[in-house]
Amino acid sequence: DIRMTQSPSTLSASVGDRVTITCRASQPISTWLAWYQQKPGNAPTLLIYKASSLEGGVPSRFSGSGSGTEFTLTISGLQPDDFATYYCQQYNTSPFTFGPGTKVDI
Amino acid sequence: QVQLVQSGAEVKKPGASVKIACRATGFNLMNYYMHWVRQAPGQGLEWMGRINPSGGSTTYAQTFQGRVTMTTDTSTGTVYMEVRSLTSDDTAVYYCARGGDFVDHWGQGVLVTVSS
Repeated sequence: DIRMTQSPSTLSASVGDRVTITCRASQPISTWLAWYQQKPGNAPTLLIYKASSLEGGVPSRFSGSGSGTEFTLTISGLQPDDFATYYCQQYNTSPFTFGPGTKVDI
Repeated sequence: QVQLVQSGAEVKKPGASVKIACRATGFNLMNYYMHWVRQAPGQGLEWMGRINPSGGSTTYAQTFQGRVTMTTDTSTGTVYMEVRSLTSDDTAVYYCARGGDFVDHWGQGVLVTVSS
């Protein structure tokens, strides 16, 4: 199975900050990577697919980049609604494994 | 609009089975894979597998192979997942989700509690 790691596991930030989360795959996955946001008590929501494609309706302050084994999710200008946990998921090879998550808090 | 409405919370004893339903509306179920993902309390997301409702082919994560069955009733637009031989480690919120390879819409989740 492809193992996904994320760093940091927790990130303390303030409104307006630029935030970057890194996701690494244990083997190359091209750009077959998605990012999800999850708030407590809710299902995840899709932010980014194919490493850098923004899902419809997602604010443009979210962006994704990377290919191969290293990927980043950037939030440019953190908003109060962005405090949540973020997960990456590879869908290059079954099982479509998730990273352990990065919690963004104040 | 796309909606995935899951059945209600379940409490099961160790060794029992649970079957969770997920009713899909607002899109043609035959055009998408349906995934199942679970999340243990306070933990991350775990991909369990997916089913292609058009034909019923399934792909399961090795962890769940032989213990999980995903099925579809296309007449009602409902997908099901059964998990057998439950243990306390199976206590989690179980999500159905629509997608191709990645997921773009999620159900609300179903809490399954396994306790004696």
